[in-house]
Amino acid sequence: GNSVTQMEGPVTLSEEAFLTINCTYTATGYPSLFWYVQYPGEGLQLLLKATKADDKGSNKGFEATYRKETTSFHLEKGSVQVSDSAVYFCALSSGQNFVFGPGTRLSVLP
Amino acid sequence: GAGVSQSPSNKVTEKGKDVELRCDPISGHTALYWYRQRLGQGLEFLIYFQGNSAPDKSGLPSDRFSAERTGESVSTLTIQRTQQEDSAVYLCASSFGAGVRSYEQYFGPGTRLTVT
Repeated sequence: GNSVTQMEGPVTLSEEAFLTINCTYTATGYPSLFWYVQYPGEGLQLLLKATKADDKGSNKGFEATYRKETTSFHLEKGSVQVSDSAVYFCALSSGQNFVFGPGTRLSVLP
Repeated sequence: GAGVSQSPSNKVTEKGKDVELRCDPISGHTALYWYRQRLGQGLEFLIYFQGNSAPDKSGLPSDRFSAERTGESVSTLTIQRTQQEDSAVYLCASSFGAGVRSYEQYFGPGTRLTVT
């Protein structure tokens, strides 16, 4: 079946550090890939998405590229801020099947 | 426009009681999902509705859990004879649909259920 694997958290960084959160997937066919973010005390929000191989999703300084050859969708940001502290979920959608990763908690210290 | 809404936002109940959670999806969204999120953990899929098709109930953890949806509108998740392990945030999400094209999900704020 379809599955999503994310790097274990928590991840703690200093402000302005470079961020990478790894995400790999297993799926049949050609899934769409997503990153969702959950800020403290809030619901999940879509951060970015990519619907086909080599697409790059971007939003709020975050980027992720759909790599079919490595079945990966790693999330990156060049310079994190304290306000980026949240839990980040990688997810895939293949037809009606929607699978989330376990989430990675990011804490950014001033 | 209005997003996904859920009610109540918080529910405290005694062990053994039944609870009913409500979700109002975004108008026009044919697909609706329920998830459970235990403290500090990821999302656990519970059930999925798509239009008038039979729901995908494969994620429901026991027969104490059930859900209904009227057409493409409101959905209710019912938990009978609640147990302490049912304590979690219950999230509802809706999307334009599913199938060949994969649509992103829009989440409600969740209902925090505490079973004492």
